[in-house]
Amino acid sequence: DVKVTQSSRYLVKRTGEKVFLECVQDMDHENMFWYRQDPGLGLRLIYFSYDVKMKEKGDIPEGYSVSREKKERFSLILESASTNQTSMYLCASRTQGNYGYTFGSGTRLTVV
Amino acid sequence: AQSVSQHNHHVILSEAASLELGCNYSYGGTVNLFWYVQYPGQHLQLLLKYFSGDPLVKGIKGFEAEFIKSKFSFNLRKPSVQWSDTAEYFCAVNAPYGGSQGNLIFGKGTKLSVKP
Repeated sequence: DVKVTQSSRYLVKRTGEKVFLECVQDMDHENMFWYRQDPGLGLRLIYFSYDVKMKEKGDIPEGYSVSREKKERFSLILESASTNQTSMYLCASRTQGNYGYTFGSGTRLTVV
Repeated sequence: AQSVSQHNHHVILSEAASLELGCNYSYGGTVNLFWYVQYPGQHLQLLLKYFSGDPLVKGIKGFEAEFIKSKFSFNLRKPSVQWSDTAEYFCAVNAPYGGSQGNLIFGKGTKLSVKP
């Protein structure tokens, strides 16, 4: 069964901390995505990557960065966490030319 | 820019009632259309998708959706809901030859609560 695995299900961090959210897929997919999900706002794209070492800004990249050093791993970095970054973070992947995404289970981040 | 609108934020139904969740998108070119479901505490799963061909698409668990190009709509339906259909439903659109680099654009979601 294909999988997108997010390393943490729940995280609590303090304001100002640097936070790393990890995502690993085992499907050899080229494309990977980070979304945040907030009630009433749906899914909003933060960053995506089409290939190793490539990254593109999504709709709400401010306060975030990403890293893709290996094809299977896509990391989301909160440089200095703030309370308005409290949210559910979803990672997804897809293969090139296939428009369906496979999602991870999500990481619920609380910044206090 | 493309956008996706889901008409209802929260729908409450009794078991065996019929369901229709609205979804409209704004893009005049070729689109691929999706419905995803998120059960409580679980990850997003694909319910069904439309790429081309028959505009009436059947998905898992008895769900279906109809693509009406003239109305820019892709409404989700189920004739008789069950308590286990309680979940949040997301409509998504991808424009492979348009903007957003072919990425999925999601609606804001509709929460469905089914009363036993």
